[in-house]
Amino acid sequence: DTGVSQDPRHKITKRGQNVTFRCDPISEHNRLYWYRQTLGQGPEFLTYFQNEAQLEKSRLLSDRFSAERPKGSFSTLEIQRTEQGDSAMYLCASSLGQGIRYEQYFGPGTRLTVT
Amino acid sequence: AQKVTQAQTEISVVEKEDVTLDCVYETRDTTYYLFWYKQPPSGELVFLIRRNSFDEQNEISGRYSWNFQKSTSSFNFTITASQVVDSAVYFCALSEADNNDMRFGAGTRLTVKP
Repeated sequence: DTGVSQDPRHKITKRGQNVTFRCDPISEHNRLYWYRQTLGQGPEFLTYFQNEAQLEKSRLLSDRFSAERPKGSFSTLEIQRTEQGDSAMYLCASSLGQGIRYEQYFGPGTRLTVT
Repeated sequence: AQKVTQAQTEISVVEKEDVTLDCVYETRDTTYYLFWYKQPPSGELVFLIRRNSFDEQNEISGRYSWNFQKSTSSFNFTITASQVVDSAVYFCALSEADNNDMRFGAGTRLTVKP
């Protein structure tokens, strides 16, 4: 059994470039979440999917950010025109079931550094 | 609005000591869920426990125990006989029933010295 996987684990990019991250959830999980974690802080919710539908987006998710989950399997998070403030760990989580009462299983994260 | 406060930024103990990590939450909902996660140096968040607002019974799992008190809006976590492997950042989180995101506290970094 594999857990949640994320790729790449680390990404260094120059300001203004676009980056895309991938998340593969646990296979039977229908919910997928994206969080951002900056140094010394807890994760902050960005968005979540129920199967292929994106049901909620945080105000943190500016128009430079877009997330997709085609076919309700893996998900991608794209950041366009990256800024230094985008430097953070981007975490993906998945859960089984339709309620928040189900625990979320997190991936190892993608650490983004914008220079 | 939901909010989680972990006032202890860092705690350092010597192995075999007991340690309690504090968590205070704010919510207007009567139905909500509380969570604790562990983030070891490897970075991956590990789920420890979930508690719903209608279940105030304390829970013990091995060396871990949790004390949920609605009267003080607290959900504290105690590690008994701490071990070096317990060194990690611990996060408390809250989710209201009508929301679909978890609100995390800032975390408490626990260092257990041999």
